[in-house]
Amino acid sequence: EVQLVESGGGLVQPGGSLRLSCAASGFTFSSYWMSWVRQAPGKGLEWVANIKQDGSEKYYVDSVKGRFTISRDNAKNSLYLQMNSLRAEDTAVYYCARVVPWEFGYWGQGTLVTVSS
Amino acid sequence: QSALTQPRSVSGSPGQSVTISCTGTSSDVGGYKYVSWYQQHPGKAPKLMIYDVSKRPSGVPDRFSGSKSGNTASLTISGLQAEDEADYYCCSYAGSYTYVFGTGTKVTVL
Repeated sequence: EVQLVESGGGLVQPGGSLRLSCAASGFTFSSYWMSWVRQAPGKGLEWVANIKQDGSEKYYVDSVKGRFTISRDNAKNSLYLQMNSLRAEDTAVYYCARVVPWEFGYWGQGTLVTVSS
Repeated sequence: QSALTQPRSVSGSPGQSVTISCTGTSSDVGGYKYVSWYQQHPGKAPKLMIYDVSKRPSGVPDRFSGSKSGNTASLTISGLQAEDEADYYCCSYAGSYTYVFGTGTKVTVL
C-alpha cells in the first residue's frame, strides 16, 4: 500500500525557516517524480514544486522561487521541502504527492504550516 | 501561472447529473492532454478521480467522466450520490514540468 506521511509543520515567524519531510513507503520511491502541493486555509490547491527521480531536475511555482528548495533522499525514501524567508501567504497545509506521470496519483495527509508573529 | 477557472458551486438531486467546467488557456488546458480532476472531502487529502482528460483510475466509479474541448475541460458526475458531495479541483500540466490547479467547485447534493 502506498503511504506518504508528512511532518515538520508548525508555527513560524515571518522571515523564518522550516523544513518539511515526507516519508514514503509501499512503492519504489526512486522511480517516481515527487511534488509538494499546498492549500491555504479555506482556499484551493496550489502546486508548489516538483523533483525528478534522481533529484537532477527541480521546478517551482514563481511565488516560491529563490525561497523554497525541494530535495529527496532515495536511500531514505524521503522527500523534503526547505522553506526560507517565510511569509504570511505561505500559511497552508502542505501535501506531498507522487507524480504518475502527469497527475498526482497519491497524496499524504498533509502538514500545517502557519506563518505568524 | 494563473489558476484555472471553475464555477464556485454546483448542485443536484440524487440520481441527477452535474457538470463542472474548468477553463484555462492554450498554454495549459488547451495545449496538453494532461488534465486531471481531484475530489476532496472536508479535512481530507485530495483523491485522483480522472487523469489524462478522461481516464479513470482503478476503483473510481464509472459515474465520473471527463472531457475536453479547446481550452475548457469538464467533469461530469452521473447518478449523483450523497457521498459525491465534496470539493472538486481540476489540474492541468502547463509545460516545463509545472502544473496549475483550478479554483475549485463545491458540489452539493440536495
